[in-house]
Amino acid sequence: QVQLQESGPGLVKPSGTLSLTCAVSGGSISSSSWWSWVRQPPGKGLEWIGDIYHSGSTNYNPSLKSRVIMSIDKSKNHFSLKLSSVTAADTAVYYCAVGYCSGGSCYLYPWGQGTLVTVSS
Amino acid sequence: QSVLTQPPSVSAAPGQKVTISCSGSSSSIGNNYVSWYQQVPGTAPKLLIYDNNKRPSGIPDRFSGSKSGTSATLGITGLQTGDAADYYCGSWDGSLSAYVFGTGTKVSVL
Repeated sequence: QVQLQESGPGLVKPSGTLSLTCAVSGGSISSSSWWSWVRQPPGKGLEWIGDIYHSGSTNYNPSLKSRVIMSIDKSKNHFSLKLSSVTAADTAVYYCAVGYCSGGSCYLYPWGQGTLVTVSS
Repeated sequence: QSVLTQPPSVSAAPGQKVTISCSGSSSSIGNNYVSWYQQVPGTAPKLLIYDNNKRPSGIPDRFSGSKSGTSATLGITGLQTGDAADYYCGSWDGSLSAYVFGTGTKVSVL
């Protein structure tokens, strides 16, 4: 079974760039999966950020699209998220997950444990 | 932005049944499959149901899903204390070209 582990700074300054990496183990990042990011502000619901295929093709949440860049590193079997111009509203637990999407069927399984990123000076 | 609407909370006694609704639109649930996730406080979400009514390996058959039109329902029978958690529905939205989650429902076991 594929396992995911998020890593990155837990504190980012306002107007800075949030950078996270998700390490994939137990499977290849070149498989037919969409590698996804989801976030959850403290005490609030889930928000899909976007996903990336091993070919480099991406889908981003329209509300975040102007600030998001996702990338994939096949040699390291990991994928990454960059979110620019962050504010306190970007404070959240960030999860990576494996996405399966085909013909109207789309779901996320499994998920990483999540990492809290706080935006503060 | 949540475009799938769920009730904020539901509750029932141990052994009883609860249902959670998820209301969307033609661009989301109406034309795509629905999945459901369970999130126990302090932990990552876990997939419970995919493709409207299928269960991943290891998920007990006490959990069931259904879909009709632009709405979906998660059912939990034989409620256990360990089922106390937040539950989210999810679906692809073709108009947004984005995956969308429901607003979330807190299940309490009385």
